[in-house]
Amino acid sequence: QKEVEQNSGPLSVPEGAIASLNCTYSDRGSQSFFWYRQYSGKSPELIMFIYSNGDKEDGRFTAQLNKASQYVSLLIRDSQPSDSATYLCAVDPLEAGNNRKLIWGLGTSLAVNP
Amino acid sequence: GAGVSQSPRYKVAKRGQDVALRCDPISGHVSLFWYQQALGQGPEFLTYFQNEAQLDKSGLPSDRFFAERPEGSVSTLKIQRTQQEDSAVYLCASSSRGYNSPLHFGNGTRLTVT
Repeated sequence: QKEVEQNSGPLSVPEGAIASLNCTYSDRGSQSFFWYRQYSGKSPELIMFIYSNGDKEDGRFTAQLNKASQYVSLLIRDSQPSDSATYLCAVDPLEAGNNRKLIWGLGTSLAVNP
Repeated sequence: GAGVSQSPRYKVAKRGQDVALRCDPISGHVSLFWYQQALGQGPEFLTYFQNEAQLDKSGLPSDRFFAERPEGSVSTLKIQRTQQEDSAVYLCASSSRGYNSPLHFGNGTRLTVT
């Protein structure tokens, strides 16, 4: 069974620090990786996606992918209280038949303390 | 342009009632997904449409759940004879055809079955 695992947290960091969120996946053939942020009572919103090994930066966010280790992470620099949310990792295994069906982790709860 | 729109935002149903949840995707988005999200969990896949074709309904929990997208745009998720375990947030997401197209979520419908 294909799985995506995340530490449920809560991960607590002080304002201005770097928050590091981690995700591992079981399907070695997975192609695309997504990080979504979900505020309490709201729907997930896309933060970043990555599909090549290495780092991808967008503002204060950096996604890191290591396919050999089946590991993807999200770094948030200069963390702000408004970053406090649940961060969901989603993996697209690109199963045969062109049927995109993301596999989701349970999410990591992040709390940024002022 | 407008995002994914879902209605109603909240729905309270008595056990045994039928409900219909509507999703209006982003214009031009080919793919449409329905997810179920319980409190503290990641989204759970229900079903997937590409245009009007329902390509995968493997996540529908029982034959009480039915989804349609007759003209390849608006979709309706119908739940017949609702049960208490159906209480959850139902999320609709759409994406364009592209290889790494991310999902854009609506605000969800929170269904409570009493």
